[in-house]
Amino acid sequence: QVQLQESGPGLVKPSQTLSLTCTVSGGSISSGGYYWSWIRQHPGKGLEWMGYIYYSGTTYYNPSLTSRLAISLDTSKNQFSLNLNSVTAADTAVYYCARRGAVAGLFEYWGQGKMVTVSS
Amino acid sequence: DIQMTQSPSTLSASVGDRVTITCRASQSISSWLAWYQQKPGKPPKLLISKASSLQSGVPSRFSGSGSGTEFTLAISSLQPDDFATYYCQQYKSYPYTFGQGTKLEIK
Repeated sequence: QVQLQESGPGLVKPSQTLSLTCTVSGGSISSGGYYWSWIRQHPGKGLEWMGYIYYSGTTYYNPSLTSRLAISLDTSKNQFSLNLNSVTAADTAVYYCARRGAVAGLFEYWGQGKMVTVSS
Repeated sequence: DIQMTQSPSTLSASVGDRVTITCRASQSISSWLAWYQQKPGKPPKLLISKASSLQSGVPSRFSGSGSGTEFTLAISSLQPDDFATYYCQQYKSYPYTFGQGTKLEIK
């Protein structure tokens, strides 16, 4: 059974970079052709897909975030990471890592979520 | 971006009721629609894919229908565990987008 777990700071100052890591267990991040994604949920709001990284290292980002977002892979640690720069209070959200299926854009496995607050 | 609009935003119902939630897409997405259930403090759980395919382990009281721009999630006989927030998601094209959610409350 694949499991994902987010980690990183819960508080980030405005204009700084939000960095989170997702550790995957129960399967190798570099096999199977899966897409490793980040999705966020603003407090009391809906879900926003941020982007993904393919096991080959190819990335695709939501155009609304592409200028500030970078997703990377560390296969040696079975982890993938998110970096979102120039954050503002509008980036306060619960951040989820998730695995998208190999064939379709379905999110079958999710981490428990990491609440990140942007505040000075 | 394809906009997904759910209705109603909140739905009050009782155990045993049949309820339906509607999701509309701003353009045709064929059947590339998923439904998720989310409980407070938990991540979403995938219930239905390709508009009507129930995921393994999901009770048969859940069903999905529709194609093109209009979709429905139905729960035939509400159980206490079903009170949650439901989201639709299109995966026809990038960026993937979700509806704003429907909160199913106990009446």
